[in-house]
Amino acid sequence: AQSVAQPEDQVNVAEGNPLTVKCTYSVSGNPYLFWYVQYPNRGLQFLLKYITGDNLVKGSYGFEAEFNKSQTSFHLKKPSALVSDSALYFCAVRAFKAAGNKLTFGGGTRVLVKP
Amino acid sequence: GAVVSQHPSWVICKSGTSVKIECRSLDFQATTMFWYRQFPKQSLMLMATSNEGSKATYEQGVEKDKFLINHASLTLSTLTVTSAHPEDSSFYICSARPPGLAGVDTQYFGPGTRLTVL
Repeated sequence: AQSVAQPEDQVNVAEGNPLTVKCTYSVSGNPYLFWYVQYPNRGLQFLLKYITGDNLVKGSYGFEAEFNKSQTSFHLKKPSALVSDSALYFCAVRAFKAAGNKLTFGGGTRVLVKP
Repeated sequence: GAVVSQHPSWVICKSGTSVKIECRSLDFQATTMFWYRQFPKQSLMLMATSNEGSKATYEQGVEKDKFLINHASLTLSTLTVTSAHPEDSSFYICSARPPGLAGVDTQYFGPGTRLTVL
């Protein structure tokens, strides 16, 4: 079975400060890891993914994430947060050989960036 | 880029009626589409995997007779909530996966459909 944990329901950060959204995972075998962002009443938008290679992955809108195999983590980061980054962020995982390539999502972390 | 649309974006219906939600991949063919359900302030829960030309695969606990899925073409999948009840009220999101190796790790999500059953 595969699972994802996002330990923080909400993260508050001041505009211009660094933003970190935490994610840990559990899978059998090699993980494929994803971050998505959701704005109110909208579907999910892809931010970035880790499949293989460099542990530091750069994605859309200045976001990046670091894959840490020993800690089974894939934290999302942005050096300088913007008010427009306020949204709901989901981490997702699937095992390399997951049947049907199904994704398992974390519970989501709401990010609030204050001016 | 790849675009997935859903129609309607929101719907309100009376208890006991059926509601059909469409999911379309606008600029690519999708051999596989996924249907998710999202409750307020909660994560996405996969309901079923829809494969073009074959029966959908439902996740454990999802009633296939309640949530009918049809994937009749490479660009269209429909989810019909039959005999809807207030507890079916939710945000339904679809995603589409392009065929071939390029689609293995890629899902493009629709904007979602908010269903309210009175």
